[in-house]
Amino acid sequence: NAGVTQTPKFRILKIGQSMTLQCTQDMNHNYMYWYRQDPGMGLKLIYYSVGAGITDKGEVPNGYNVSRSTTEDFPLRLELAAPSQTSVYFCASCRDRANQPQHFGDGTRLSIL
Amino acid sequence: AQTVTQSQPEMSVQEAETVTLSCTYDTSESDYYLFWYKQPPSRQMILVIRQEAYKQQNATENRFSVNFQKAAKSFSLKISDSQLGDAAMYFCAYRSPEDRPLVFGKGTRLSVIA
Repeated sequence: NAGVTQTPKFRILKIGQSMTLQCTQDMNHNYMYWYRQDPGMGLKLIYYSVGAGITDKGEVPNGYNVSRSTTEDFPLRLELAAPSQTSVYFCASCRDRANQPQHFGDGTRLSIL
Repeated sequence: AQTVTQSQPEMSVQEAETVTLSCTYDTSESDYYLFWYKQPPSRQMILVIRQEAYKQQNATENRFSVNFQKAAKSFSLKISDSQLGDAAMYFCAYRSPEDRPLVFGKGTRLSVIA
């Protein structure tokens, strides 16, 4: 019963490097989300998807890209890492109905030095 | 756009006592869904309780209950018989019936004192 799986759990990047945060879910959820959580703060939505082939920007999309080629996978791409992107990143998914809760992955702690 | 406000950045409670965490929200919609999530030091986001706005009855899950006041746009979380394992960040969240993403408050950090 894996749920939402995020990899890696920790990563240190140098300024200007690129990387992809992986997220996969095995619950056949159409809705998937990427959030970032800065220290002591709440969650801010980066991007979300309501189904394969469909993505939309959230509150803080700048510096990130996403794709949704399958129902299961929703990778988040950082093209040119900046210190402001140091954060904990959460992926989440949920069923199609609004009263259903989001299921979260365990997060990826990313540091940009 | 909807907003969620948690006015208490930090709270503390004695073990076995009761504590209430506040949450207010702003919306023009009449139907919506509200959630409380718990985030322990492990960083996992764990659903605590949820409430559907069209239901007048307050949701309850074991030691956790809510006081949902729709007219006041208030959704507080009451934790009874507090336990050391309740220590965590608690986030209030709002979801529109149109299936838009959750809108989170900034969280309340709860400490439990033995």
